[in-house]
Amino acid sequence: NAGVTQTPKFQVLKTGQSMTLQCAQDMNHEYMSWYRQDPGMGLRLIHYSVGAGITDQGEVPNGYNVSRSTTEDFPLRLLSAAPSQTSVYFCASSLGAGGGSNTQYFGPGTRLTVL
Amino acid sequence: AQTVTQSQPEMSVQEAETVTLSCTYDTSENNYYLFWYKQPPSRQMILVIRQEAYKQQNATENRFSVNFQKAAKSFSLKISDSQLGDTAMYFCAFANLNGYALNFGKGTSLLVTP
Repeated sequence: NAGVTQTPKFQVLKTGQSMTLQCAQDMNHEYMSWYRQDPGMGLRLIHYSVGAGITDQGEVPNGYNVSRSTTEDFPLRLLSAAPSQTSVYFCASSLGAGGGSNTQYFGPGTRLTVL
Repeated sequence: AQTVTQSQPEMSVQEAETVTLSCTYDTSENNYYLFWYKQPPSRQMILVIRQEAYKQQNATENRFSVNFQKAAKSFSLKISDSQLGDTAMYFCAFANLNGYALNFGKGTSLLVTP
């Protein structure tokens, strides 16, 4: 059981380039989400998904796209990278919402630098 | 939207001592969940402890315990017998009862010294 995995661990992009951050979980969790962490800030929600085929925006969605075609995978796409997107990105998953099922488990993070 | 405030950007404690990290939050909900996450230098986010607002009993996990004051909207973390491995950023987070998102505070950097 690998939990939540993210690739790559580090990435450097030039302004305007596109890329996809990969996230996968093997816990059969319905809910998956993407956060970004900036210095001096907590984690802020970018996008989330409550199940395959269902996604929604979080607090800071601009510049990012997501899709969820399977329960296991939830990739985050940067269409045209900007220096303001330099950050550490975390993927998280939980069994569901409410009750005892909303504890989120995090991946190891991806450090992205946009030059 | 709920806000979570951690008023101590940095703290330090000596090994074997006890330290308390503060967290306050703002919500109009009656039932919700509160969490403390630890982020060591490895960057991994690790769940430390979880509290359900409708439970009056304070959560405890080994050396970690919380002081949950619902009326005051306060959720502090006490670390007893501090160890060098406790050195990390600690984040307080809030979740609605049926919500999917976590609202995080800005974190407290804790340094445990020998």
